[in-house]
Amino acid sequence: GESVGLHLPTLSVQEGDNSIINCAYSNSASDYFIWYKQESGKGPQFIIDIRSNMDKRQGQRVTVLLNKTVKHLSLQIAATQPGDSAVYFCAENIGPGGGADGLTFGKGTHLIIQP
Amino acid sequence: NAGVTQTPKFQVLKTGQSMTLQCAQDMNHEYMSWYRQDPGMGLRLIHYSVGAGITDQGEVPNGYNVSRSTTEDFPLRLLSAAPSQTSVYFCASSYSGGSGELFFGEGSRLTVL
Repeated sequence: GESVGLHLPTLSVQEGDNSIINCAYSNSASDYFIWYKQESGKGPQFIIDIRSNMDKRQGQRVTVLLNKTVKHLSLQIAATQPGDSAVYFCAENIGPGGGADGLTFGKGTHLIIQP
Repeated sequence: NAGVTQTPKFQVLKTGQSMTLQCAQDMNHEYMSWYRQDPGMGLRLIHYSVGAGITDQGEVPNGYNVSRSTTEDFPLRLLSAAPSQTSVYFCASSYSGGSGELFFGEGSRLTVL
């Protein structure tokens, strides 16, 4: 079956540096992608999303890039702060609704911020 | 608004016991879902509902039942718990279609002995 995956399970960065978290997907029919942040002991929180008709989308300190040619998604966090420490999940939509139904999540990347 | 509220936060069961995980949302979202989260497995969809009276199976539905009698509530039932159901369970809701922003509860940690 097709699935969403991540290149690295753990990413360690210095405070103040930029972080880049990568995600590979294999379902060419996926048309909607989301990044979630999960802090220890809490539920995932929405960060940013992007549809397949876009290559880039920016939020506050975060940017998502989508490369449909190589089926690759990345999340860039600018000027990483201690509060960014969390597990980050990418998710793709493979359902017919084009919305939240049928989301498939990757296994997550643990972002660790070094002081 | 309280958002998505799950109860209980922690539960220990013996094999064969039954229980219900409660989920309520006060955002008037049409869509609600249940996920389980296991180490190294990410989040896997158990069941979901696109509105009151409508439910459907996700990726891992076996051993779980759901119902959606109201827009606000979406309980998850384990009829005969098994050790393989030891996991952290998350309830989530969103507006139907359009934005896929899922709002998650804080999770319910279930241990089956």
